[in-house]
Amino acid sequence: AQSVTQPDIHITVSEGASLELRCNYSYGATPYLFWYVQSPGQGLQLLLKYFSGDTLVQGIKGFEAEFKRSQSSFNLRKPSVHWSDAAEYFCAVGARNTDKLIFGTGTRLQVFP
Amino acid sequence: DTGVSQNPRHKITKRGQNVTFRCDPISEHNRLYWYRQTLGQGPEFLTYFQNEAQLEKSRLLSDRFSAERPKGSFSTLEIQRTEQGDSAMYLCASSLPFRSGNTIYFGEGSWLTVV
Repeated sequence: AQSVTQPDIHITVSEGASLELRCNYSYGATPYLFWYVQSPGQGLQLLLKYFSGDTLVQGIKGFEAEFKRSQSSFNLRKPSVHWSDAAEYFCAVGARNTDKLIFGTGTRLQVFP
Repeated sequence: DTGVSQNPRHKITKRGQNVTFRCDPISEHNRLYWYRQTLGQGPEFLTYFQNEAQLEKSRLLSDRFSAERPKGSFSTLEIQRTEQGDSAMYLCASSLPFRSGNTIYFGEGSWLTVV
């Protein structure tokens, strides 16, 4: 069965600093991979997704993620964080034989001015 | 651009009462999903539909939970005899077949508080 691990529950960075959020997945084949962002009390917005092809994926709001098969990872990065990036970030994996997504427990990002 | 719409956004109910949530997906989307999210956790899959057919249900979906999508458009999620452990945000999402590279769009959720 698929699973997703986000090792960092809470990350604090200064505005303008770089950011990397970690995501590791467990799945027997090449999964579909997603990063979503959630502001307090709101639904989820897709930042980016990986289905196949280039392992470096560009998303919205200046985010990117890199799929590393050897490490079963799909880490999210941003070179310079803005205060408006403060939110909860969820990594998710989709299997190739079902339409459901399995989410990690999330990483809460706090940004200091 | 009308996204996924969920109603009501907030519901407070007494333990033992029944509640129903409605989801209106993006109009051309044939996939519709329900997830549950508790504080500090990621969304957990409950069930999904392809048109009006319910294709998969999680073991989390006890007998007290029922979901329908009668005409392949809107969906309802009913919880009977609510318990305090049902307090959560219920998220609806819709998409075209995502394995073709399509995006799954989420609504803003329906908060349930059972007192």
